[in-house]
Amino acid sequence: RKEVEQDPGPFNVPEGATVAFNCTYSNSASQSFFWYRQDCRKEPKLLMSVYSSGNEDGRFTAQLNRASQYISLLIRDSKLSDSATYLCVVWGYGGSQGNLIFGKGTKLSVKP
Amino acid sequence: NAGVTQTPKFQVLKTGQSMTLQCAQDMNHNSMYWYRQDPGMGLRLIYYSASEGTTDKGEVPNGYNVSRLNKREFSLRLESAAPSQTSVYFCASKGEGSYNEQFFGPGTRLTVL
Repeated sequence: RKEVEQDPGPFNVPEGATVAFNCTYSNSASQSFFWYRQDCRKEPKLLMSVYSSGNEDGRFTAQLNRASQYISLLIRDSKLSDSATYLCVVWGYGGSQGNLIFGKGTKLSVKP
Repeated sequence: NAGVTQTPKFQVLKTGQSMTLQCAQDMNHNSMYWYRQDPGMGLRLIYYSASEGTTDKGEVPNGYNVSRLNKREFSLRLESAAPSQTSVYFCASKGEGSYNEQFFGPGTRLTVL
């Protein structure tokens, strides 16, 4: 089983749609969870961290289920500018030497 | 603050040539990283440095060497480039704490002919 798995997509949705991305991770000792966004030919940038209680930032909602080792990202009212690849990222196997493990990303294309 | 800077932005090498990719950060971060990103493979960690003076191998270290010159700078060297090293290389840095953001440089697009 791969360490961090995501549906590669692409997800093609119309403006205004709600879209959900899912991610599973294999190491139950993982400590921190993130969603990064990567635009075409650009570097990844942090979109939001994912906390155990779930968290929301405007149109974006992230949830974590530690028991199922599952992370989700919900985007409401999609905008053209949301078109990008969304990377699920997991950190930590205990101690300070843990590193970020990146999923391969889910590509989103929002159409007019 | 410039964040994380990388040079060069683009490079074309012939098989067997050597080169060094430079990375610097101005955020006073202890941890720095080198990744490569290939289509369909996602980001893969080549080497990382948890602090000045220390370096450790990541998932795909073969064919690369690194130097943590000081707290700001972390360079990646290809001693004898191979076509399999054609990729986009990202440098990143991260502050302490499990929820601190990892900041990436703009990347170096390397082609080995």
